Amino acid sequence: GENVEQHPSTLSVQEGDSAVIKCTYSDSASNYFPWYKQELGKRPQLIIDIRSNVGEKKDQRIAVTLNKTAKHFSLHITETQPEDSAVYFCAATSKGDSWGKLQFGAGTQVVVTP
Amino acid sequence: NAGVTQTPKFRVLKTGQSMTLLCAQDMNHEYMYWYRQDPGMGLRLIHYSVGEGTTAKGEVPDGYNVSRLKKQNFLLGLESAAPSQTSVYFCASSTPRVSGSYNEQFFGPGTRLTVL
Repeated sequence: GENVEQHPSTLSVQEGDSAVIKCTYSDSASNYFPWYKQELGKRPQLIIDIRSNVGEKKDQRIAVTLNKTAKHFSLHITETQPEDSAVYFCAATSKGDSWGKLQFGAGTQVVVTP
Repeated sequence: NAGVTQTPKFRVLKTGQSMTLLCAQDMNHEYMYWYRQDPGMGLRLIHYSVGEGTTAKGEVPDGYNVSRLKKQNFLLGLESAAPSQTSVYFCASSTPRVSGSYNEQFFGPGTRLTVL
């Protein structure tokens, strides 16, 4: 089955700097890669996703890149703000999975200091 | 719309006790999922359902049972709770995945369960 590894587990950045989180996956048939943000005590919420036929996707200050050859994808947050402090999870699902099951990474705790 | 709701929000059990967690969604979603979240381990799938009356095992199903008697509800049962089941439990729902489509999973607010 799919295995997703996420690094780093914690990330501290100064407000205004950029943050990068990287995930690697094992199943070459995986073709959908969402990112979820979970604020303290809240539910995970989708912030951006990318499909395997696209190399990069941007939405304001966040972007995701995908390298299918190396089987890794990354979340980039630019001009970080205190409200970006949260746990971020990457996930992957396989083209062969009819039920949309997601395999999640272990999460990255991002702390943005003013 | 309330989206995905879960009851209860918190619960403390003693080892060996049983309980049922309820997940409800008002988005008419076919698919529903139960996850557990433990520190440093992300979200792990316990059981899932692709329609009323159907259930299937996920990554960590042992010690749990589920039922989907109504489309809008997905129940997670612990027959004999163990301290290893101390966790935060999240329910999620989504629309069916059809060829070429990828659908967002919407999560409930979670249930924090402690087993003593």
